[in-house]
Amino acid sequence: GIQVEQSPPDLILQEGANSTLRCNFSDSVNNLQWFHQNPWGQLINLFYIPSGTKQNGRLSATTVATERYSLLYISSSQTTDSGVYFCAVGRSNAGKSTFGDGTTLTVKP
Amino acid sequence: EAQVTQNPRYLITVTGKKLTVTCSQNMNHEYMSWYRQDPGLGLRQIYYSMNVEVTDKGDVPEGYKVSRKEKRNFPLILESPSPNQTSLYFCASTRSGGTGSYNEQFFGPGTRLTVL
Repeated sequence: GIQVEQSPPDLILQEGANSTLRCNFSDSVNNLQWFHQNPWGQLINLFYIPSGTKQNGRLSATTVATERYSLLYISSSQTTDSGVYFCAVGRSNAGKSTFGDGTTLTVKP
Repeated sequence: EAQVTQNPRYLITVTGKKLTVTCSQNMNHEYMSWYRQDPGLGLRQIYYSMNVEVTDKGDVPEGYKVSRKEKRNFPLILESPSPNQTSLYFCASTRSGGTGSYNEQFFGPGTRLTVL
């Protein structure tokens, strides 16, 4: 199956700092999503981004499918950004989905 | 409101006592999935379904059963739960791209299961 590696595993920032989270995958994919799991365990959709670049407020994401990686950028971080960030990948015409182990982000005031 | 619901949200049970966790979506999505989340292991897919009466195993199907008799519902069944099935369980629903592509997943709130 597809292997998904996320880095760094842990990240501690001061409020206002910027960060880049990375997701590498071992095979071609047609689906890639970024999620934020908040401290209450809820999984929140951030981006569906199998290729290209998207932006939503302070967050943006870029996927370079040919090089098998995706990046999530968080600018001007806030304490509410704390939690675990996951990427999940899959191939089309199949229901299988593989998650990375996540990056745990802590934003300190 | 478009959503995925799961019940119960919390459950403590004993080894061997059959249980069912329900999952329902109101978005008319074709695909549905079950995942478990354990500390340090991320989310692992248990089973998924591409449509009514069509299901397949994910990465960790042992000890679980599923059924998809209606499009909106996808229950997870533990016929003889064991302590190693203590975990946080998530149901997800996915909109199909119409050409067989597998698109954006939407997750339920999770069910925290403890098996004693």
